[in-house]
Amino acid sequence: NAGVMQNPRHLVRRRGQEARLRCSPVKGHSHVYWYRQLPEEGLKFMVYLQKENIIDESGMPKERFSAEFPKEGPSILRIQQVVRGDSAAYFCASSPWGDPNSPLHFGNGTRLTVT
Amino acid sequence: GQQVMQIPQYQHVQEGEDFTTYCNSSTTLSNIQWYKQRPGGHPVFLIQLVKSGEVKKQKRLTFQFGEAKKNSSLHITATQTTDVGTYFCAGPFQGAQKLVFGQGTRLTINP
Repeated sequence: NAGVMQNPRHLVRRRGQEARLRCSPVKGHSHVYWYRQLPEEGLKFMVYLQKENIIDESGMPKERFSAEFPKEGPSILRIQQVVRGDSAAYFCASSPWGDPNSPLHFGNGTRLTVT
Repeated sequence: GQQVMQIPQYQHVQEGEDFTTYCNSSTTLSNIQWYKQRPGGHPVFLIQLVKSGEVKKQKRLTFQFGEAKKNSSLHITATQTTDVGTYFCAGPFQGAQKLVFGQGTRLTINP
């Protein structure tokens, strides 16, 4: 049973470049959450998506960040014109239901470093 | 706003000592979840508590949910080096379709 798959595991980008982070949820899960973790800090909610819908993006910065979860394919978190402050671990989690009472299954994360 | 606070932020113990982390919510929760993240790893679900006053045990780990469903604790008896990591509590907030995580308690152990 494949868990949540994230790629790449590590990503290095120069300031001003774009970063694309991919997440394939557990098979059969149609709900995806993205969290950001700054070094030595907790997990900050960014966005919650169902297939083809953004349900809650209250944690997403207003500019440069976007997320999608198309009908086919993985969920993508896109960061345009990256800055050093974007350096962090980005975790994707999935759930079979859109229910915050359900435990989340996390992927291994993508560690983004902006130079 | 919706907040989940955890204390302490860091805890260093000798192997064999006990460890406790506390979690407090700004509002009543329908349930609370605990996760563990090993250094360099990803959060892994440990347990979910739903009922007021609930106590659950997993080997040396004891989890409690407060009577008012606003606080929780995780107690580890006789720590081992495999317990090293950061322990997070998380709760769903009414009206929000997301889990809000505490800032975590990072446990380090002296063998």
